[in-house]
Amino acid sequence: GDSVTQMEGPVTLSEEAFLTINCTYTATGYPSLFWYVQYPGEGLQLLLKATKADDKGSNKGFEATYRKETTSFHLEKGSVQVSDSAVYFCALSDQPGGYQKVTFGTGTKLQVIP
Amino acid sequence: NAGVTQTPKFQVLKTGQSMTLQCAQDMNHNSMYWYRQDPGMGLRLIYYSASEGTTDKGEVPNGYNVSRLNKREFSLRLESAAPSQTSVYFCASSEGGSGVSKTQYFGPGTRLLVL
Repeated sequence: GDSVTQMEGPVTLSEEAFLTINCTYTATGYPSLFWYVQYPGEGLQLLLKATKADDKGSNKGFEATYRKETTSFHLEKGSVQVSDSAVYFCALSDQPGGYQKVTFGTGTKLQVIP
Repeated sequence: NAGVTQTPKFQVLKTGQSMTLQCAQDMNHNSMYWYRQDPGMGLRLIYYSASEGTTDKGEVPNGYNVSRLNKREFSLRLESAAPSQTSVYFCASSEGGSGVSKTQYFGPGTRLLVL
């Protein structure tokens, strides 16, 4: 079945550091890939997505490229801010039986210190 | 535009008690979902409703029931709560229909503690 593996956290970075959160996936079909972010005490919200191979999703300075050859969708940001502290979830979406099934990774907690 | 709303925000139950978690969305979405979030396990799908009038089991449906009351509302019921159901519950909605690129929109969550 489908699965998503993302790096264990927590990740602690200083402000303005470069961020990479690794994500790899296993899927039988042609999934779409997502990064969702969860701020403390809130629900998940979409950060970015990519719907086919070589697509790059981007939002708020974050980027991720859909790499079919390496089955990866790593999240990057050039300069993190304290306000980026949150839990980040990689996810893939497939449609095995007529409904949109989303498989989530376990989440990576990011803490940015001033 | 409230998006997805959930009530209550927090609940404490004793083993064997029942309760219903409420969810409503105002985005005219066809599909709605219930997930539970547990430490180290990400989100797991409990039940979903692809469209008004239909519901189906997800990955972890045991101990739960759902009702799609109308297009806006999708409730989750615990008939006899167990400590293993201590979790954070999220409701989500999406446009539905065919295609895998639809964004899911999440509510703020209900934190449930079963003693």
